[in-house]
Amino acid sequence: TQLLEQSPQFLSIQEGENLTVYCNSSSVFSSLQWYRQEPGEGPVLLVTVVTGGEVKKLKRLTFQFGDARKDSSLHITAAQPGDTGLYLCAGASRGQNFVFGPGTRLSVLP
Amino acid sequence: KAGVTQTPRYLIKTRGQQVTLSCSPISGHRSVSWYQQTPGQGLQFLFEYFSETQRNKGNFPGRFSGRQFSNSRSEMNVSTLELGDSALYLCASSSGREAGELFFGEGSRLTVL
Repeated sequence: TQLLEQSPQFLSIQEGENLTVYCNSSSVFSSLQWYRQEPGEGPVLLVTVVTGGEVKKLKRLTFQFGDARKDSSLHITAAQPGDTGLYLCAGASRGQNFVFGPGTRLSVLP
Repeated sequence: KAGVTQTPRYLIKTRGQQVTLSCSPISGHRSVSWYQQTPGQGLQFLFEYFSETQRNKGNFPGRFSGRQFSNSRSEMNVSTLELGDSALYLCASSSGREAGELFFGEGSRLTVL
């Protein structure tokens, strides 16, 4: 069974601060995705990474896939209250469905 | 284009009853996946249907079942409900290609009393 761990579990910061959340596994994934879920809604895809060492930037968000394709990080620069939500990573091996981590619940205070 | 529609949004059942949840995927999407989300376990994969066939299945008991119709709409059924089945049930539609984006509905929140 593939398991994904995410840290920290909870994070509360002030607007303007930077933060990094992590997603780790002992398994190798062919692709990894990050989603954000807001209260009362389903998760929404932020990014997909498929190549070890890959770095993708989406405005203030930077995603990195580990060289061994077992881990990933999400860095947010100058966090804003609109970034508040549950951040989920999900990994998939070839032919398998995505397995989700437990999530990091981020709260950005104005 | 219209998003993923799940019905009902909220429902309350008692132990021993059964429940059927419905999911209408995005037009043109042939894959529908179901997930159970709870505070303690996070998002857990139930099963995926593609072109009316179950393509993958998670580690849930046989009380959890599903099906997909020719128009790609999907239903999941939970029989003999237990208190632990209380959760948010999320449906995700996709094109079905590998590593494709999952488009989630808002979920059906089930409370079992």
